[in-house]
Amino acid sequence: EAGVTQFPSHSVIEKGQTVTLRCDPISGHDNLYWYRRVMGKEIKFLLHFVKESKQDESGMPNNRFLAERTGGTYSTLKVQPAELEDSGVYFCASSRGRGSGNTIYFGEGSWLTVV
Amino acid sequence: GNSVTQMEGPVTLSEEAFLTINCTYTATGYPSLFWYVQYPGEGLQLLLKATKADDKGSNKGFEATYRKETTSFHLEKGSVQVSDSAVYFCALSKVYTGNQFYFGTGTSLTVIP
Repeated sequence: EAGVTQFPSHSVIEKGQTVTLRCDPISGHDNLYWYRRVMGKEIKFLLHFVKESKQDESGMPNNRFLAERTGGTYSTLKVQPAELEDSGVYFCASSRGRGSGNTIYFGEGSWLTVV
Repeated sequence: GNSVTQMEGPVTLSEEAFLTINCTYTATGYPSLFWYVQYPGEGLQLLLKATKADDKGSNKGFEATYRKETTSFHLEKGSVQVSDSAVYFCALSKVYTGNQFYFGTGTSLTVIP
């Protein structure tokens, strides 16, 4: 079974540009999460999809961030326009269900550097 | 609110040394507690977990016990190996927040031969 895959693995863009990160969850996983780790700080929750619906987007930092999950399969996270403070690692995760009995699987992360 | 505080690194140990990485949490109700590990060039992997007080999670020689009285979930290993070099994250989640995780800042461990 393929794991959670993320693309690109690394991206370097200039301030003001746009970047789109993609996440393919494990097949059959309705729950998809985005997290972010800014250098040296904790990993923070951004948002949670259940199928194609946003269940919780309380962690999205501002309106420069837009997440979509059309069709309830893969998800994209767009940053437009990117700022220096957006640099960090963006993790995607997925799980089949919710609750403590469900294991959440993380991807390898997309490393974003804004210069 | 919910938060996790873990020991700051980096930590450098010699092979076969004893490892402790401290983790304490703040949460309402009864969270589940986790340790995740990120090896170089890889994603976050679940190392172990405990879902209720006094539970002990264990995996690959690592252990952590859910202590409600001290709100702690310290990670221990009796004899570390070079292959244990990684970043370790303590985390909590609550069922009723839809499995939203609250992570600590991570502790980088380097084991030298």
